[in-house]
Amino acid sequence: SQTIHQWPATLVQPVGSPLSLECTVEGTSNPNLYWYRQAAGRGLQLLFYSVGIGQISSEVPQNLSASRPQDRQFILSSKKLLLSDSGFYLCAWSRSSGGGLDGYTFGSGTRLTVV
Amino acid sequence: AQSVTQLGSHVSVSEGALVLLRCNYSSSVPPYLFWYVQYPNQGLQLLLKYTSAATLVKGINGFEAEFKKSETSFHLTKPSAHMSDAAEYFCAVSRGSGYGNKLVFGAGTILRVKS
Repeated sequence: SQTIHQWPATLVQPVGSPLSLECTVEGTSNPNLYWYRQAAGRGLQLLFYSVGIGQISSEVPQNLSASRPQDRQFILSSKKLLLSDSGFYLCAWSRSSGGGLDGYTFGSGTRLTVV
Repeated sequence: AQSVTQLGSHVSVSEGALVLLRCNYSSSVPPYLFWYVQYPNQGLQLLLKYTSAATLVKGINGFEAEFKKSETSFHLTKPSAHMSDAAEYFCAVSRGSGYGNKLVFGAGTILRVKS
């Protein structure tokens, strides 16, 4: 069966510090991968998605970047965090773009607090 | 393009009462529709999905939803609310598989269950 791992679960970082959040998927190959953010009261915001190694699409301009160095690994990064980067970050995967018949499967999330 | 509207950002029901969470969608093609649940500080979990088979779909935890094409709706119901149903619920729509397609989420509805 397929599983998605996301870590760390919580993170407190000072303003201006770097960020690296990692997401890995097991039990499948060539997944579509997604990074979402939930800020308080603002719903789900799609940040990045990837259909393959090295292929990253950005949905909104921001202080963050994403990379996909391996087929089942998706990394969210920042060189210098801002207070506005605080939120709950979710990684997700799907077999096909749009989710197909199965939708997306989400990781357990990372609570990032920038202080 | 697809879109989803969830009527009511907050819904409050008494324990044992009917739960009704509303979702209306817009799609230029026959849609795939999903309901997800999110408990505090957790990822999203798939409750149920409609993928053009039966219009009445049963999911986990006693929830069900009915696809009504004439009303472009996919409302989520549960006959009797339980305290453990308190969570945030997201409706989502997709055009299915295909490059460039993405799952589009509604803004979410927070369900509160009163004892």
